[in-house]
Amino acid sequence: QKEVEQDPGPLSVPEGAIVSLNCTYSNSAFQYFMWYRQYSRKGPELLMYTYSSGNKEDGRFTAQVDKSSKYISLFIRDSQPSDSATYLCAMSAGSARQLTFGSGTQLTVLP
Amino acid sequence: GAGVSQSPSNKVTEKGKDVELRCDPISGHTALYWYRQSLGQGLEFLIYFQGNSAPDKSGLPSDRFSAERTGGSVSTLTIQRTQQEDSAVYLCASSFVPGGGSGNTIYFGEGSWLTVV
Repeated sequence: QKEVEQDPGPLSVPEGAIVSLNCTYSNSAFQYFMWYRQYSRKGPELLMYTYSSGNKEDGRFTAQVDKSSKYISLFIRDSQPSDSATYLCAMSAGSARQLTFGSGTQLTVLP
Repeated sequence: GAGVSQSPSNKVTEKGKDVELRCDPISGHTALYWYRQSLGQGLEFLIYFQGNSAPDKSGLPSDRFSAERTGGSVSTLTIQRTQQEDSAVYLCASSFVPGGGSGNTIYFGEGSWLTVV
């Protein structure tokens, strides 16, 4: 079993829809949680960062962490075609030097 | 440069040949990482460099893989006797201070796309 599980999709939604992306994990030591966005043939770019449990909002994006359930989510409101990309969750135990990534969810927002 | 630079961007090699992939991190970044991304998979950690400390090689999949970082800047990932299962995107990343867990942003390059035929 992988440490981080993520539904690979693909997920296709109409423009303006609310998108929900999720990851589950098994390592209770993870404290730092990130979402990366990766466009086709590009490197991942950091989208959201959250420490421990709770919510964080940035524009149309909201990240949620529920450590008791070992479950994290990324919500995208008013989705746009430019949001079409692969979304990767990543997490670390803080003192660790590397991130552990999910396999990514491929999202397409249809105009 | 403004971002993490990787070369070559694409490489096709024959099975059994050696390949070298280069990474030029963001100026001033002390931490450098190599990850591998296979088709439809997440990023797999390979190796991490921090300053003059011994690298963390715990993610290297076999002794055919090695990496070095010269002068605390440019890094080279070498794959010897390449196999078809080595086909993947090799991503380099750098950060100002170690670890992605402290809110320190890790910046990725665009990757070297390796195909072994």
